[in-house]
Amino acid sequence: AQKITQTQPGMFVQEKEAVTLDCTYDTSDQSYGLFWYKQPSSGEMIFLIYQGSYDEQNATEGRYSLNFQKARKSANLVISASQLGDSAMYFCAMRGLTQGGSEKLVFGKGTKLTVNP
Amino acid sequence: DAGITQSPRHKVTETGTPVTLRCHQTENHRYMYWYRQDPGHGLRLIHYSYGVKDTDKGEVSDGYSVSRSKTEDFLLTLESATSSQTSVYFCAIIKSLKSEAFFGQGTRLTVV
Repeated sequence: AQKITQTQPGMFVQEKEAVTLDCTYDTSDQSYGLFWYKQPSSGEMIFLIYQGSYDEQNATEGRYSLNFQKARKSANLVISASQLGDSAMYFCAMRGLTQGGSEKLVFGKGTKLTVNP
Repeated sequence: DAGITQSPRHKVTETGTPVTLRCHQTENHRYMYWYRQDPGHGLRLIHYSYGVKDTDKGEVSDGYSVSRSKTEDFLLTLESATSSQTSVYFCAIIKSLKSEAFFGQGTRLTVV
């Protein structure tokens, strides 16, 4: 079974500084995908970044980058130059296969990021 | 915009009553999912579907049933609502193998 662990319930960062949100995962699948989502106080789920298990390079999307360390089974999200609008809940998720071969997404419990002015 | 609509957006119901939440998509994607979100638990998978009439249980399926009679609609039913089912419910789809999941706006359900 797949499992995602986010060990930081809350994080604080000063505006314009970088912050790393931790995510470790557990799976026996050879092929899987890792995702990060942002959930602002308004409640919608916003996709940020994706990393495939066979991707050799770390994914980047603007100010977001994913520090993928396969041997350590970690997929940390790095946000550079934090902005006040980055204050939100952040979820790490993994896509894997069920026993029946279907796709499913498993989420961590989330990290609440607060950006201070 | 992945064309996912959840209805209703908000509902208050009494303990013991049946409740059905609807997820509608406009793009004929195969995989659809129902999650519940609770503080301290993140998003937990309730049920999912991999095609018309093909559904399976997630990690928190007790007390819930689903149906998918058409590609575009995935219904989540609470046969007899309990206070522990007070939550925010999200529907999601996956468009392709390397695609991210797209979420509906969520349904806030309160069972009193």
